[in-house]
Amino acid sequence: QKEVEQNSGPLSVPEGAIASLNCTYSDRVSQSFFWYRQYSGKSPELIMSIYSNGDKEDGRFTAQLNKASQYVSLLIRDSQPSDSATYLCAVRVTGGGNKLTFGTGTQLKVEL
Amino acid sequence: GAVVSQHPSWVICKSGTSVKIECRSLDFQATTMFWYRQFPKQSLMLMATSNEGSKATYEQGVEKDKFLINHASLTLSTLTVTSAHPEDSSFYICRVAGGGTDTQYFGPGTRLTVL
Repeated sequence: QKEVEQNSGPLSVPEGAIASLNCTYSDRVSQSFFWYRQYSGKSPELIMSIYSNGDKEDGRFTAQLNKASQYVSLLIRDSQPSDSATYLCAVRVTGGGNKLTFGTGTQLKVEL
Repeated sequence: GAVVSQHPSWVICKSGTSVKIECRSLDFQATTMFWYRQFPKQSLMLMATSNEGSKATYEQGVEKDKFLINHASLTLSTLTVTSAHPEDSSFYICRVAGGGTDTQYFGPGTRLTVL
């Protein structure tokens, strides 16, 4: 079983809709969770970080964490074509320092 | 402005040559630098972790004699791909961390093409 799993997609949503991206992880001592956005040919950029169970909102983005079920999700409201990218989920485990384990990413396509 | 820079942004070299990639932290002291490799349509693969002034820690399967990492200062780490071959063609990205749990930034990446 992979440590961090994501559906590779592509996930296609119409413009203005809510895009829902999911990520599951296997290590129960995971403590910090991150969502990165990566455009083709570019390096990843951090969108959200979440550390506690529940929801965390930042603009059109909401991260949701459920440690009991070992999943973290990212919701993008009012999706725009510019949101089309690959979204990477990353996990940091307790005692791992700043080392992150990345999922394979979900490609999101927002269609006009 | 950019917090982390990489140089060069892209490089094309002949098989058998060595290529050095620099990662510079511009605005803060990076105690730890991570080097990743990313092949097309694949996720980031961690190659090694380097702490300033110490030897790098390599991930399983990464040849330390082929991928030389030097982290001589809190603002600079270098990755040298020695005797590069076409299968080393990839996107190499550094990530720097320091000063707190959320103080981490990716560099813009270096596209290496080995002919």
